[in-house]
Amino acid sequence: RKEVEQDPGPFNVPEGATVAFNCTYSNSASQSFFWYRQDCRKEPKLLMSVYSSGNEDGRFTAQLNRASQYISLLIRDSKLSDSATYLCVVIRNNDMRFGAGTRLTVKP
Amino acid sequence: DGGITQSPKYLFRKEGQNVTLSCEQNLNHDAMYWYRQDPGQGLRLIYYSQIVNDFQKGDIAEGYSVSREKKESFPLTVTSAQKNPTAFYLCASSIAGTHLAGGQFFGPGTRLTVL
Repeated sequence: RKEVEQDPGPFNVPEGATVAFNCTYSNSASQSFFWYRQDCRKEPKLLMSVYSSGNEDGRFTAQLNRASQYISLLIRDSKLSDSATYLCVVIRNNDMRFGAGTRLTVKP
Repeated sequence: DGGITQSPKYLFRKEGQNVTLSCEQNLNHDAMYWYRQDPGQGLRLIYYSQIVNDFQKGDIAEGYSVSREKKESFPLTVTSAQKNPTAFYLCASSIAGTHLAGGQFFGPGTRLTVL
């Protein structure tokens, strides 16, 4: 079993839709969590950190569920520019573990 | 402008040849990293360096070598011993320790194809 797992998608949604992705992690000792965004053939860029209390940045909301060992990313009012691959990153023992990513396509 | 540069953007290599990928940063970061990305897999760490003249193997170091003679530069050599080198290679840097807080910045990547 992979340490960090994501549904690869693709998720195809219309503009304005709300979409959510989950990312599960296998090691309960994982300490920190992040979402990165990666555009096609580009480098990953930090989107947001994920806190136990949940955090929101504009249309994006990230949450952590330690009991069930997953993190989630919710995107409200999807824009065409949100089309990208979203990578989940889990920190454990000073190591960063990346998920394979979930691909999102927002269509007009 | 501060940032990380990687060159070349695309690289083609014949089997059995060594090739060196360049990574330079002017962010004054102490730590630098090399990852490879394959379809359907997460980024995997090849090597990292937290200080000049020192580097450590990551999860998949076999068939690769690095050097860190200058703070700004962390070149990666893909040797002929790497059995499946075709991949997207990403270099990253951070202030020491801040990668654990999301402080890791990536270069634009080099796409290596072995013919």
